[in-house]
Amino acid sequence: SQELEQSPQSLIVQEGKNLTINCTSSKTLYGLYWYKQKYGEGLIFLMMLQKGGEEKSHEKITAKLDEKKQQSSLHITASQPSHAGIYLCGADSRGSNYKLTFGKGTLLTVNP
Amino acid sequence: EPEVTQTPSHQVTQMGQEVILRCVPISNHLYFYWYRQILGQKVEFLVSFYNNEISEKSEIFDDQFSVERPDGSNFTLKIRSTKLEDSAMYFCASRDPVEDILYGYTFGSGTRLTVV
Repeated sequence: SQELEQSPQSLIVQEGKNLTINCTSSKTLYGLYWYKQKYGEGLIFLMMLQKGGEEKSHEKITAKLDEKKQQSSLHITASQPSHAGIYLCGADSRGSNYKLTFGKGTLLTVNP
Repeated sequence: EPEVTQTPSHQVTQMGQEVILRCVPISNHLYFYWYRQILGQKVEFLVSFYNNEISEKSEIFDDQFSVERPDGSNFTLKIRSTKLEDSAMYFCASRDPVEDILYGYTFGSGTRLTVV
């Protein structure tokens, strides 16, 4: 089965600083999803990457997919307290059925 | 933006009791899912449902669990005889593959189940 390793497990940054979260898959990535979760709440979709080398941005969040390394990175520029939460990467399995498998998440704290 | 709705938001139940968690997926979606997240742990896949039948289930989804789409709008997860270890946040999700790039798998806000 597919395993996703996220690093770091947790991150504390000062407001205004940039940061990067990584997600590495044990198998080929067909579709990579990034979600944000506030403690005890639902998962909010950020973006989905499909093709190697693809890069997407939403506001100050940019995600890239490196197909060869089976890895994706999420970069936040000029972090704000509103960016705080748990960031989850999820990979689409292919075959006869589709489902998302998630990493353990990265807990981000942004100090004002 | 369309939403997946889950009820109740919190449920406390006695061990051994049956619980039904309810979900209203996005109306034009055809793929439905249940996931669970035990406190402090990762979001785990339970079951996927398509064309009125289970398409895949995980090892967690044993005989105590069942899913149903009783009408055109609801999608339910039933736990027949709850155990303490069933305490978790349960998330429903739905999906339209054509809209994956825009919305991904759309998750509900979850039902926090506490078994006492």
